[in-house]
Amino acid sequence: DTAVSQTPKYLVTQMGNDKSIKCEQNLGHDTMYWYKQDSKKFLKIMFSYNNKELIINETVPNRFSPKSPDKAHLNLHINSLELGDSAVYFCASSVLPPGGAQYFGPGTRLTVL
Amino acid sequence: GENVEQHPSTLSVQEGDSAVIKCTYSDSASNYFPWYKQELGKGPQLIIDIRSNVGEKKDQRIAVTLNKTAKHFSLHITETQPEDSAVYFCAATTGNQFYFGTGTSLTVIP
Repeated sequence: DTAVSQTPKYLVTQMGNDKSIKCEQNLGHDTMYWYKQDSKKFLKIMFSYNNKELIINETVPNRFSPKSPDKAHLNLHINSLELGDSAVYFCASSVLPPGGAQYFGPGTRLTVL
Repeated sequence: GENVEQHPSTLSVQEGDSAVIKCTYSDSASNYFPWYKQELGKGPQLIIDIRSNVGEKKDQRIAVTLNKTAKHFSLHITETQPEDSAVYFCAATTGNQFYFGTGTSLTVIP
């Protein structure tokens, strides 16, 4: 069974559209994250949620809005997509910090045309 | 905040040789140091980790060493195999937030 799953795996869309990426974890973890990985493979944290509450919100445009309906889900909604949003987005989860290993999903490759 | 530097950015080794990837960190409060392997088209996968109260940890062909005084930690892969080819990331954390290195692309040449 997949521990951290994301849908869709690929997302191709036009500039200006609104899209969502869904993430679910079945590990019973308390904390979930969204990362953006650019073409140079650099992993940049975007958001972190702990028990449905936002605890980290890095400097990302407010076009990106995470939503956590429950502890096992953290979805990412992106408004007015721009070319620069093209990247691979990873969801991850961990036990309550400090010092818990993060487990990553398979990623969603977003391409904005 | 924490700053994690990782070297080298690319590494090629012959099959059977050893590979070493090094990371340094800046925040002496960092207490947990995981290493991740990312294969093409997949998410990063935890391969080994070490906590600040331990100097070395080994798991079969993979080992990690930590020098708290110098604030650096290293990944050692022995007897490399072609399936070890991937991008490897180090990370450091004091608790809430993980800080990742910039990645090392390892190629094992058969």
